[in-house]
Amino acid sequence: AQKVTQAQTEISVVEKEDVTLDCVYETRDTTYYLFWYKQPPSGELVFLIRRNSFDEQNEISGRYSWNFQKSTSSFNFTITASQVVDSAVYFCALRLNFGNEKLTFGTGTRLTIIP
Amino acid sequence: EAQVTQNPRYLITVTGKKLTVTCSQNMNHEYMSWYRQDPGLGLRQIYYSMNVEVTDKGDVPEGYKVSRKEKRNFPLILESPSPNQTSLYFCASSLLSRLNTEAFFGQGTRLTVV
Repeated sequence: AQKVTQAQTEISVVEKEDVTLDCVYETRDTTYYLFWYKQPPSGELVFLIRRNSFDEQNEISGRYSWNFQKSTSSFNFTITASQVVDSAVYFCALRLNFGNEKLTFGTGTRLTIIP
Repeated sequence: EAQVTQNPRYLITVTGKKLTVTCSQNMNHEYMSWYRQDPGLGLRQIYYSMNVEVTDKGDVPEGYKVSRKEKRNFPLILESPSPNQTSLYFCASSLLSRLNTEAFFGQGTRLTVV
C-alpha cells in the first residue's frame, strides 16, 4: 500500500524568508503521480503541481519550486521570499496509474508566514 | 468555467437524520470520488466511481452510500449520520490517470452532526 509522510506538522517563518516543505512517499509501483495542493484559510483545495514518476526534472514556477528525487522518494516544495498570502495548509499526495486511482494524501503542513 | 460544485457548503444536522451532499462536475470526467478531511489525518477516500453505475469503497466507507446514475453527478448519502461523521467533505473529479491530469476539487462541505 502507498503512503505519504509530511513530517512537519506546522512551520512558521517570517515574511521574505525561504521555506521548504518536506514530502516523503512510499510505493512499490514504478508508475505514479505526485501532487501538491494548497488549502488556504477559506478551505478549498488549490492544485499547485503534478509530477509523474518518470520525470525527475525539478520545476520552478515564480517563487515556488519543487525538488523530486526518486532515490530518496521525496518531493519537496520550496517557497522563496515567502509572503503572508502563502499562509495555508499544504498537502502532498500520491496517485497510482491503475486500479482505484485515489489520491493518497499526507497529513498536511500548516505554514504560517509572520508579517 | 471548469468546476466541481458541492452543496451545501455548511450543514448542521442531528444524529440519525438522513442527508445528501450533492456533487456535480462539468468537465465530462470519468473518475469521481469523495474524501473526508479530519485534523491530523489528512484527506481519506470514502467512495469512488470510475464511470456511470460503477462505484466502489475507498478507505473509510462505513456509514456512507453513493450513486452514479449520470456522469456529472456523484451524491454522497448519509443514511443515519452519527457525530463521528462530523468532518470536512470534498468531492473530486478527474480524467483517468493514464492521461496524466490532476484532480479537481469542490469547495468542500463542512458537516456537523450533533
